[in-house]
Amino acid sequence: AQKVTQAQTEISVVEKEDVTLDCVYETRDTTYYLFWYKQPPSGELVFLIRRNSFDEQNEISGRYSWNFQKSTSSFNFTITASQVVDSAVYFCALQTGANNLFFGTGTRLTVIP
Amino acid sequence: NAGVTQTPKFRVLKTGQSMTLLCAQDMNHEYMYWYRQDPGMGLRLIHYSVGEGTTAKGEVPDGYNVSRLKKQNFLLGLESAAPSQTSVYFCASSYSPAYEQYFGPGTRLTVT
Repeated sequence: AQKVTQAQTEISVVEKEDVTLDCVYETRDTTYYLFWYKQPPSGELVFLIRRNSFDEQNEISGRYSWNFQKSTSSFNFTITASQVVDSAVYFCALQTGANNLFFGTGTRLTVIP
Repeated sequence: NAGVTQTPKFRVLKTGQSMTLLCAQDMNHEYMYWYRQDPGMGLRLIHYSVGEGTTAKGEVPDGYNVSRLKKQNFLLGLESAAPSQTSVYFCASSYSPAYEQYFGPGTRLTVT
């Protein structure tokens, strides 16, 4: 069975603080893809990153970084020096060999000015 | 390049009424998807299509039907709406299952 767990339902931080959003996944497939999407208050879903199961290299994009660890089945997302514009719901998702994308329940991040 | 568009943006239905949601994409993607988003449950796949003329069931298909007569369009139908179908519906498309999905702006449906 495939499953994505985002244990943090809501997080609040003060602007300029760093914050890490946790994502733990379950799958028996050896080939799979992990994604992070952002849903700002306006409601649309914005793609942030894609990682395949064979690439454990961490990635940094500006203030965003992602830590993929197969040993712990985790794909965590860190925002450095958070800004008010980072306030959104963030979804972690798992795509397996079938045409299906399993979403976590999301983490609502509020950045307080 | 509009990406993925959905019509309508909002709709209120009475129990038992029917309606069709339209999704259109201009990226020449083969794969298209319909999701529903409910509070605290993330997004759940209703139906998907791997190409023109094909459709398949997702996680929560009951009460919905779909059609993909043209590659760029994916229609979601509710034959007899129920209050449990009150939700926000998102359409998405992708180049392949291994790549990111591009989402439409969503349709907020209320069934009274």
